[in-house]
Amino acid sequence: GAVVSQHPSRVICKSGTSVKIECRSLDFQATTMFWYRQFPKQSLMLMATSNEGSKATYEQGVEKDKFLINHASLTLSTLTVTSAHPEDSSFYICSVPGQGNQPQHFGDGTRLSIL
Amino acid sequence: AQTVTQSQPEMSVQEAETVTLSCTYDTSESDYYLFWYKQPPSRQMILVIRQEAYKQQNATENRFSVNFQKAAKSFSLKISDSQLGDAAMYFCAYYNNDMRFGAGTRLTVKP
Repeated sequence: GAVVSQHPSRVICKSGTSVKIECRSLDFQATTMFWYRQFPKQSLMLMATSNEGSKATYEQGVEKDKFLINHASLTLSTLTVTSAHPEDSSFYICSVPGQGNQPQHFGDGTRLSIL
Repeated sequence: AQTVTQSQPEMSVQEAETVTLSCTYDTSESDYYLFWYKQPPSRQMILVIRQEAYKQQNATENRFSVNFQKAAKSFSLKISDSQLGDAAMYFCAYYNNDMRFGAGTRLTVKP
């Protein structure tokens, strides 16, 4: 069964809107979660690592004020794209630490389209 | 920083034939994991195969096998008896605390 639940799967909104994406770890508690961004026909780029109860760790070049990350509980991390603009349109994928064969499990992603 | 390089943006194979996808990586770590993921048009990330760096034996999963050359930092994926359902984007990934991906190879399977 699914290990990660990511919601919503698709968002279309107007420029200037803030959009929140949720990532839930279903099977176990996660002190860290990962957020990736994927442009069309490109790779997954790690944006940031969210840390439960503390600040997220952002990769170089990622705007902290644009992409707000909150990891308030051991099962939920949220990514908020603030004042979104067309260039923020992308596919966002969250990931949670795994066990056994996979060190990370991936959500099904959120396709964000800013008009 | 770790980097993963896939030098083949696109590859094509005839159904039932064999194809090899290339991947190289750069790291100063000695303990890490390498993966190949398949991403179909649905964009789901599907684990194809995994290799622990400390294992010399190449991993195999049915029609999928790897050629892991640690000294050369090379990790290629061989798909045998290719099927139409194998058509997808394939990403090579390096894991040590978090997952880093290569640029991907789009595999087309011709009937």
